[in-house]
Amino acid sequence: DQQVKQNSPSLSVQEGRISILNCDYTNSMFDYFLWYKKYPAEGPTFLISISSIKDKNEDGRFTVFLNKSAKHLSLHIVPSQPGDSAVYFCAATTGAGSYQLTFGKGTKLSVIP
Amino acid sequence: NAGVTQTPKFRILKIGQSMTLQCTQDMNHNYMYWYRQDPGMGLKLIYYSVGAGITDKGEVPNGYNVSRSTTEDFPLRLELAAPSQTSVYFCASRREGTGELFFGEGSRLTVL
Repeated sequence: DQQVKQNSPSLSVQEGRISILNCDYTNSMFDYFLWYKKYPAEGPTFLISISSIKDKNEDGRFTVFLNKSAKHLSLHIVPSQPGDSAVYFCAATTGAGSYQLTFGKGTKLSVIP
Repeated sequence: NAGVTQTPKFRILKIGQSMTLQCTQDMNHNYMYWYRQDPGMGLKLIYYSVGAGITDKGEVPNGYNVSRSTTEDFPLRLELAAPSQTSVYFCASRREGTGELFFGEGSRLTVL
């Protein structure tokens, strides 16, 4: 039973355009969400997070939106750059201090120059 | 500023062999984790630790063991390697009070 779903295995976007990566979750107890970015042969690195008390969090070119009623979050990258090409994982947990993150399968983003 | 360091980066095992994946962190984090990532899949939690001397099972613990004798080190042991344990293993530690994990570079294990 997949509690965090990233239904798009891959996404291609032109450089300079917006990239939108989507994530759905089924567990209503999740209240803290994170995005991680992973390059080949490296470990994932933290990108941005959002608590359920917010519906938007922004950090430079990266913005995460949370729609609690739809159990959906999205990561927007504007403008997209070739260096953003990586696998993006959505993760969720029950509180920032919880011990366990549940990860989605990831979406591979390719930004075409 | 090393962060989380894993060794070895690559290893090939024969069925039934044993080995230990080493993990050490220099950030003084209490929480540490072992995940595995199979091709096309997300990361699945094997074991985690909330501090020295305390460990607990995650989602997929069968075939593995861990220990946590110090804050810095969290080794993962495979006792009888099986082909189903072919995967990439990631060790991570967590910044206190946040969900932000710091990952090592991964250890690619192949069991033949």
